Amino acid sequence: QKEVEQDPGPLSVPEGAIVSLNCTYSNSAFQYFMWYRQYSRKGPELLMYTYSSGNKEDGRFTAQVDKSSKYISLFIRDSQPSDSATYLCAMSPYNQGGKLIFGQGTELSVKP
Amino acid sequence: DAGVTQSPTHLIKTRGQQVTLRCSPKSGHDTVSWYQQALGQGPQFIFQYYEEEERQRGNFPDRFSGHQFPNYSSELNVNALLLGDSALYLCASSLNPGLNTEAFFGQGTRLTVV
Repeated sequence: QKEVEQDPGPLSVPEGAIVSLNCTYSNSAFQYFMWYRQYSRKGPELLMYTYSSGNKEDGRFTAQVDKSSKYISLFIRDSQPSDSATYLCAMSPYNQGGKLIFGQGTELSVKP
Repeated sequence: DAGVTQSPTHLIKTRGQQVTLRCSPKSGHDTVSWYQQALGQGPQFIFQYYEEEERQRGNFPDRFSGHQFPNYSSELNVNALLLGDSALYLCASSLNPGLNTEAFFGQGTRLTVV
């Protein structure tokens, strides 16, 4: 069993839809939770970072962490075609710049 | 600020050969991590370098080795290449591992082993 599980999709939604992306994990030592966005032929870029449990909002993006259920989510409101990319969840027990354990990535397509 | 730069962008090698990939970290960063991303998969941690020493290592064989130079740039070496080593190799830079700072990724080197 992988330490981090993420539905690979692909996920296709119409423009303006609310998108929900999720990851589950098995290692209770994870304290740092990140969401990265990766466009085709590019490196991942950090979207959201959360320490321990709770919610964090940044514009159209909301990250949620439920450590009791070992479950994290990323919500995208009013999705845009420019949001079309692969979304990767990542976790670490140490810090956000160290050894990161990534999910498989979910490929998202937002149709105009 | 050029961000994290990697070279080359693409590389084709023959099975059994050796390859060296290079990474220059973001200005001000002193820590470099390397990841392997197979097609359709998330990145997998190979190792991390800080103060010219390997600080952490993932589950990769000894064929994968690295080096960090005094200017914080880094190299990833892979010996005895296998077809399964074909992947996107990503470099990420950050500050001192003791600090909780964001990792910035380069665009990667696409390695194809034939």
